[in-house]
Amino acid sequence: GENVEQHPSTLSVQEGDSAVIKCTYSDSASNYFPWYKQELGKGPQLIIDIRSNVGEKKDQRIAVTLNKTAKHFSLHITETQPEDSAVYFCAAIGNDMRFGAGTRLTVKP
Amino acid sequence: EAGVAQSPRYKIIEKRQSVAFWCNPISGHATLYWYQQILGQGPKLLIQFQNNGVVDDSQLPKDRFSAERLKGVDSTLKIQPAKLEDSAVYLCASSPLSGGNTGELFFGEGSRLTVL
Repeated sequence: GENVEQHPSTLSVQEGDSAVIKCTYSDSASNYFPWYKQELGKGPQLIIDIRSNVGEKKDQRIAVTLNKTAKHFSLHITETQPEDSAVYFCAAIGNDMRFGAGTRLTVKP
Repeated sequence: EAGVAQSPRYKIIEKRQSVAFWCNPISGHATLYWYQQILGQGPKLLIQFQNNGVVDDSQLPKDRFSAERLKGVDSTLKIQPAKLEDSAVYLCASSPLSGGNTGELFFGEGSRLTVL
């Protein structure tokens, strides 16, 4: 089955800096890669996703890149704000769906 | 549009007791999922329903966990008897897609279980 590794587990940045979270996956059949943001006491919420026929996707301050050959994908958040502080999860979906272990992002004002 | 509703939000039980969680997905969503999220980890799929049929329950500990979605709408997840390691947040999610297509999952706020 699929195995998803996510790094780093914690990330602290100053407001306005960029944050990058990286994930690798093992199943070459995976073709859909969503990123979820989870705030304290709430369920995960989709923030951006990318499919295997695309290398990069951007939505305002958030972008995701995908390298299918190397089996890794990354989340990029630019101009971070305190409200970006949360736990971020990557996931890879193909024959099955697996989430990464999460990255706790803290944006210091 | 109403989101995914889950209850109860919190539950504390002793080990070997039983507990049930309820989920009402977004109206019209064909696919419903139950995930277990242990503190500090990502969600782990327990069971996936498409309408009222089970698509994937390979990671459901069937000796103690059961789930049903009888009318293809709301669902219940039951644990009997509970173990200490079952302490986790149980997340329900739904998706409008079916037939093997993948898309956004809409999560509820979760039910936090503490087993003492």
